Amino acid sequence: NAGVTQTPKFRVLKTGQSMTLLCAQDMNHEYMYWYRQDPGMGLRLIHYSVGEGTTAKGEVPDGYNVSRLKKQNFLLGLESAAPSQTSVYFCASRSLRDRVTDTQYFGPGTRLTVL
Amino acid sequence: GQQLNQSPQSMFIQEGEDVSMNCTSSSIFNTWLWYKQEPGEGPVLLIALYKAGELTSNGRLTAQFGITRKDSFLNISASIPSDVGIYFCAGLNSGGSNYKLTFGKGTLLTVNP
Repeated sequence: NAGVTQTPKFRVLKTGQSMTLLCAQDMNHEYMYWYRQDPGMGLRLIHYSVGEGTTAKGEVPDGYNVSRLKKQNFLLGLESAAPSQTSVYFCASRSLRDRVTDTQYFGPGTRLTVL
Repeated sequence: GQQLNQSPQSMFIQEGEDVSMNCTSSSIFNTWLWYKQEPGEGPVLLIALYKAGELTSNGRLTAQFGITRKDSFLNISASIPSDVGIYFCAGLNSGGSNYKLTFGKGTLLTVNP
C-alpha cells in the first residue's frame, strides 16, 4: 500500500506555461482533494471530488482545473501558470465509509515555482 | 466562508516544557481535528474530536472540543525534539455528502534540546 502519491515532487515553470499534477491513491477512497499551502495561510482547498467523474470548487479554484476520470486518480491542471500559483500543493483522499475518524490521508506534496 | 483563528502562530520552547495551542471559530463545527506536519511531508492526523466537551488523549497529546463547539485546544506535555513541526487545527461540518475541512493557519513549534 503506497497510500497517496503525488507526481512530480518539484517543478519550475515559466509564466504562461501549463502543467498537470497527478495524485494517485490505492486505498479505494471515494473523496479526493487538492489543497495549496502558502506561508502563514495554512491549507486552502482548491477543488475536490466526491466520486469518479465528479468535481467541485473549493475555496480558491481560480486558475485551476481538475479531472477525476478514474477513481484512484485526481489531476490538477494549470492552463497558464502565474507567479501567484507558486506554492506547495497537497492531495488528500478519504473513504466515504470512514465515519469514525474522518481521516484525510495526505500525499507528500508538490513544490511548484512559477517564474 | 468559515474561518479558524489559530494561536499562537509560533512557539519556541525548551525540551521538557508543556505546550498549549488553540483554535477559535466564528461558527460551529461538528468535528474538530488536529494535524501535525513535519518538514517536507503532508499533514498527519493526531486527534479527532466529535462531541462538545470531549477530552481525548493520544500519548503526550491531549485535545478538547469546546462546549460552545466554536473552539478547541491541543496540549503537548513534556515536549521532546521530535515534536517539532507545524500543528494545524481543522473543523468539519459533514453536512450532506460533502466532507470539507476548514484549516487554521498553523502553529509552528520549535523545541530546543
